[in-house]
Amino acid sequence: NAGVTQTPKFRILKIGQSMTLQCTQDMNHNYMYWYRQDPGMGLKLIYYSVGAGITDKGEVPNGYNVSRSTTEDFPLRLELAAPSQTSVYFCASSSNRGSAGELFFGEGSRLTVL
Amino acid sequence: QQPVQSPQAVILREGEDAVINCSSSKALYSVHWYRQKHGEAPVFLMILLKGGEQKGHDKISASFNEKKQQSSLYLTASQLSYSGTYFCGTEPRQGAQKLVFGQGTRLTINP
Repeated sequence: NAGVTQTPKFRILKIGQSMTLQCTQDMNHNYMYWYRQDPGMGLKLIYYSVGAGITDKGEVPNGYNVSRSTTEDFPLRLELAAPSQTSVYFCASSSNRGSAGELFFGEGSRLTVL
Repeated sequence: QQPVQSPQAVILREGEDAVINCSSSKALYSVHWYRQKHGEAPVFLMILLKGGEQKGHDKISASFNEKKQQSSLYLTASQLSYSGTYFCGTEPRQGAQKLVFGQGTRLTINP
């Protein structure tokens, strides 16, 4: 099994451009998450989804949008990129049973906004 | 709401022990521990649920004191492979389904 797959692994954007980070998982997990990690810092939750068609904001949702049309896919959209969005983005999935379970992370997408 | 980890960094020689603490100002239902090596994704270590349990595998164990809203991760007889940054993630209530992560503790093991 591939687990959680993120694309692209690296991307450089100019200020004001938009892009979508792709995330797909093949473990049939209901829960999916997007985190960002700034250098030397912890993980901040951007958005999460508890199932297809259901999404909710995390700690730092401003400047981002998500959708969840299928169980497998959870893309993250960056609109009007800003230097403050330079970060490493991790997608994760989990099969929660009444409470948060083990998170399976993708390899990360390193985004630089210049 | 972000849990606070201490220490921020620790340097050990191989074979020494380490303790990493995670504290919250709010009530917790569960505490999760992850390890992240440089340039890689975090990897799950263990979950501790409300009830003051202890868990462990190999030479890494953890405890959770729900009354103090604290968890501690214990690494005994540390190995070079234990090097990395350790994060605790906290869940404030059952069913929250999401974690808030601490800022991390960087552990360096030298030969």
